[in-house]
Amino acid sequence: DAGITQSPRYKITETGRQVTLMCHQTWSHSYMFWYRQDLGHGLRLIYYSAAADITDKGEVPDGYVVSRSKTENFPLTLESATRSQTSVYFCASSELLAGNNEQFFGPGTRLTVL
Amino acid sequence: GQQLNQSPQSMFIQEGEDVSMNCTSSSIFNTWLWYKQDPGEGPVLLIALYKAGELTSNGRLTAQFGITRKDSFLNISASIPSDVGIYFCAGQRGSNFGNEKLTFGTGTRLTIIP
Repeated sequence: DAGITQSPRYKITETGRQVTLMCHQTWSHSYMFWYRQDLGHGLRLIYYSAAADITDKGEVPDGYVVSRSKTENFPLTLESATRSQTSVYFCASSELLAGNNEQFFGPGTRLTVL
Repeated sequence: GQQLNQSPQSMFIQEGEDVSMNCTSSSIFNTWLWYKQDPGEGPVLLIALYKAGELTSNGRLTAQFGITRKDSFLNISASIPSDVGIYFCAGQRGSNFGNEKLTFGTGTRLTIIP
């Protein structure tokens, strides 16, 4: 039972380069989320998706692009990376169940933009 | 975007002590969740609260949903070394039948002094 995985776990890139962070879940959960975690800010939602081909902006979407062509995958792309996007990125998934709002998180990707 | 005010930001305690932390908001939430994050990993759900005034326990952990719907508390009794980590509160405005976005607190870092 692989659960939810993220790749790569660590990435160093340069300003202006395009970077894609991958997220894959094996539960067929409907909902998937991307967060960034920074000191003093906790977890902030970047984008989320309610189902394949349905995505919506979160709190801090600028500079990021997402897609959801398949239920199990939810890649996050930084089209032109900036230093302010240095952060730890977490993907999460959840299912629409009455009385259950648990989001399951991946292990995170630590991204450094030089 | 809104963030939840979580306090204290950090705690240094001795093994065996009890721990208390809280989370407050200027607006109402219909669901409160408490997560724990171990170093290098994603957050894991500890307790979910769905009703104002609700008091829920999970082993040595007890959490309460504030009666005003604007706050929540987490207590850990008789702390042990594996309690070390960062604790996050999260609030959701939707009903417990939905999967709306979560708003996270800034976290409480718990350290146990030998």
